[in-house]
Amino acid sequence: KAGVTQTPRYLIKTRGQQVTLSCSPISGHRSVSWYQQTPGQGLQFLFEYFSETQRNKGNFPGRFSGRQFSNSRSEMNVSTLELGDSALYLCASSLGQGAYEKLFFGSGTQLSVL
Amino acid sequence: SQQGEEDPQALSIQEGENATMNCSYKTSINNLQWYRQNSGRGLVHLILIRSNEREKHSGRLRVTLDTSKKSSSLLITASRAADTASYFCATDAGDYKLSFGAGTTVTVRA
Repeated sequence: KAGVTQTPRYLIKTRGQQVTLSCSPISGHRSVSWYQQTPGQGLQFLFEYFSETQRNKGNFPGRFSGRQFSNSRSEMNVSTLELGDSALYLCASSLGQGAYEKLFFGSGTQLSVL
Repeated sequence: SQQGEEDPQALSIQEGENATMNCSYKTSINNLQWYRQNSGRGLVHLILIRSNEREKHSGRLRVTLDTSKKSSSLLITASRAADTASYFCATDAGDYKLSFGAGTTVTVRA
């Protein structure tokens, strides 16, 4: 079974631009979560989707948005990029049904904002 | 903000020794999980312990949970060079997210 796939692996953008990151979950998984990881703040929860519905959202500004498609694939978008948005963005999937169990993580997208 | 605090922040041990790291959290939880991360890559799930469990084993891993103290510990026995990584605890409070601690960086010296 293929793992969680995130594209692209690396991304360099300049301030003010916008970016879209993609995540394909493990086949059969209907829940997709996004996390931002930085050396200073650690792993911060962005949002979680299950069957195209956002079930929870972290404390991030409205510039951060996401969506999930009917095939469970997910995208997150960051508009008007700031230097502080430089981070490793991690996507994780799970079955998402009943008790909330372990997450399977992708390798992440390393975003650098110049 | 992060739910958990981990200590120590960093740990350096000799191959074959045991490594112990601790995690404290703030709110009631359904379960607590431990993950490993190598060199800024994705996290890998190691073990999950439910709130009604006190101890769990998986291979060379032993996890304990004390809900009265809101704390957990992860023990890695007979460490190997391949155990060099960052280890994170994560709590599930039933709100469709995991809250991660700051992590413990473990270096295993040959």
